[in-house]
Amino acid sequence: AQRVTQPEKLLSVFKGAPVELKCNYSYSGSPELFWYVQYSRQRLQLLLRHISRESIKGFTADLNKGETSFHLKKPFAQEEDSAMYYCALLYGNNRLAFGKGNQVVVIP
Amino acid sequence: NAGVTQTPKFRILKIGQSMTLQCTQDMNHNYMYWYRQDPGMGLKLIYYSVGAGITDKGEVPNGYNVSRSTTEDFPLRLELAAPSQTSVYFCASSYSLSPYNEQFFGPGTRLTVL
Repeated sequence: AQRVTQPEKLLSVFKGAPVELKCNYSYSGSPELFWYVQYSRQRLQLLLRHISRESIKGFTADLNKGETSFHLKKPFAQEEDSAMYYCALLYGNNRLAFGKGNQVVVIP
Repeated sequence: NAGVTQTPKFRILKIGQSMTLQCTQDMNHNYMYWYRQDPGMGLKLIYYSVGAGITDKGEVPNGYNVSRSTTEDFPLRLELAAPSQTSVYFCASSYSLSPYNEQFFGPGTRLTVL
């Protein structure tokens, strides 16, 4: 069965400091990973997907199949990065398995 | 485009009552999903649909029913509400099987069962 683990619930960082959110997965098939974000009073929305190898709002994430990880990183946190972040794994019939999420608070 | 809309936004039910959570999308997406999110937990899939007339169970289907008579609508039915169904419910839709595809989410319905 598929599983996504996000070990830290709350992450507080100072503005300008680096941010790293950890995500590990367990899946028998070929993994397709995503990061979704929910800003205050907004809907859950896609931040980035590993297959696109993109950088969005300064965030990047690299899929490491050996370590079964898909950590999200940003070198310099901004106040507008305060949000809930969810790692998600795609499996059969376009379904997503979500981790429990990380609350990120950026301190001015 | 309104995207994915959900009604109601909030609801309080008594144990044993029934209700339907409405979900509509105007993006002509063939895939639709219902998730629930309990406090401190991630989203768990309740039911999903790959097209009109086709539905299937997700991870936590017990106590719920769905139907998909049109491409646009995917209502979720709670027949006998229980306190364990207190949660935030999200509806989502997506277009295809492609891994490039993203799921678009509604604003959520906060349900309390007392």
